[in-house]
Amino acid sequence: EAQVTQNPRYLITVTGKKLTVTCSQNMNHEYMSWYRQDPGLGLRQIYYSMNVEVTDKGDVPEGYKVSRKEKRNFPLILESPSPNQTSLYFCASRRSGLADTGELFFGEGSRLTVL
Amino acid sequence: DQQVKQNSPSLSVQEGRISILNCDYTNSMFDYFLWYKKYPAEGPTFLISISSIKDKNEDGRFTVFLNKSAKHLSLHIVPSQPGDSAVYFCAASGGGKLIFGQGTELSVKP
Repeated sequence: EAQVTQNPRYLITVTGKKLTVTCSQNMNHEYMSWYRQDPGLGLRQIYYSMNVEVTDKGDVPEGYKVSRKEKRNFPLILESPSPNQTSLYFCASRRSGLADTGELFFGEGSRLTVL
Repeated sequence: DQQVKQNSPSLSVQEGRISILNCDYTNSMFDYFLWYKKYPAEGPTFLISISSIKDKNEDGRFTVFLNKSAKHLSLHIVPSQPGDSAVYFCAASGGGKLIFGQGTELSVKP
């Protein structure tokens, strides 16, 4: 089954404790991206990657890091989480290329609470 | 600066009637416009898209209209069904980015 898998789905942590949210896709997609969803703000892009070893900042990259060492994985790293990073996070992927319509496949989301 | 805006946070419609969800954008360089549907505790799923060179795209009960001069797009659902109740996000694609609106929560009442 084609899917984007995120872990953990739920996490409560404390300020300053480093954490990583993993994301893996099995569709051989070149493009991967992270979004956060907040009430009244919709989905905002954190980072995206057009292919392996290529990453770029989205609209709200502050406080986050990513890496793309393999095509299937795109982990989101919070080096020193703060309460304003409490949010619902989504990983997504799609094919790149001339036929790119922007259609993304999303994971089920990771709800993060930073105390 | 919000490049994609959905000004109605919620919409309530009777089953069988038409639902019209609206979206405005500011950047003329977007290539594609998309609508996503999101149920609670699930990720968004793709619903329908339209190229910037077209003004209408239809898929079953769902039709998306694009008015480039007004920088406005809308999603029509006819007839609306209770299972359509969800949050709908419009999104605009261009330059490797996909920018979403704030979402509109649609409630279809039996």
